[in-house]
Amino acid sequence: DVKVTQSSRYLVKRTGEKVFLECVQDMDHENMFWYRQDPGLGLRLIYFSYDVKMKEKGDIPEGYSVSREKKERFSLILESASTNQTSMYLCASSTSSYRESIAKNIQYFGAGTRLSVL
Amino acid sequence: ILNVEQSPQSLHVQEGDSTNFTCSFPSSNFYALHWYRWETAKSPEALFVMTLNGDEKKKGRISATLNTKEGYSYLYIKGSQPEDSATYLCAFLGRGSTLGRLYFGRGTQLTVWP
Repeated sequence: DVKVTQSSRYLVKRTGEKVFLECVQDMDHENMFWYRQDPGLGLRLIYFSYDVKMKEKGDIPEGYSVSREKKERFSLILESASTNQTSMYLCASSTSSYRESIAKNIQYFGAGTRLSVL
Repeated sequence: ILNVEQSPQSLHVQEGDSTNFTCSFPSSNFYALHWYRWETAKSPEALFVMTLNGDEKKKGRISATLNTKEGYSYLYIKGSQPEDSATYLCAFLGRGSTLGRLYFGRGTQLTVWP
């Protein structure tokens, strides 16, 4: 089974702190994604990555950065946390393998990190 | 930003009722439509991946249909049970979509009362 692990389920930080959210997947997936989920707004894509050291902005990248130094790990960084970044953060991964033409692009999600910024 | 709409936003039904909800997406550049189920305190999990116009997929009491020409998909649950309570998300994958990027709707939150 695919496993996507997020380092924390709950996190409480203070305004201005630097926050790291870690995500690790064990299926050798090429693609990894960070979303935030807020009530009534669904899943919004922050950043994604298709390879080590590669990254693409999603729809709401402002205030965030990412790091992908190893294929299995994708980190989301809040350089200076603000109260409007209080949210549920979800990490996901998918394969680009063309051998699984239908199954490719299915995203496998972690359990989420609920971040509160006070 | 590509628009994927789901309706209704939330739904409350009694155990045993059948229910359905809708996902609307752009009909151009279609490649695939995904349905995910997201139960409270768990991770979203893929239910169906649909690619062909007229496709119908079934998994137990849950089924889904796809109309790519008009840009909609229906998800049906027959004889809802409390364990079906979850948020159901649909996601659009466009042809030539950058690196498997999915565009998610806002979800339909289903509550099934015993």
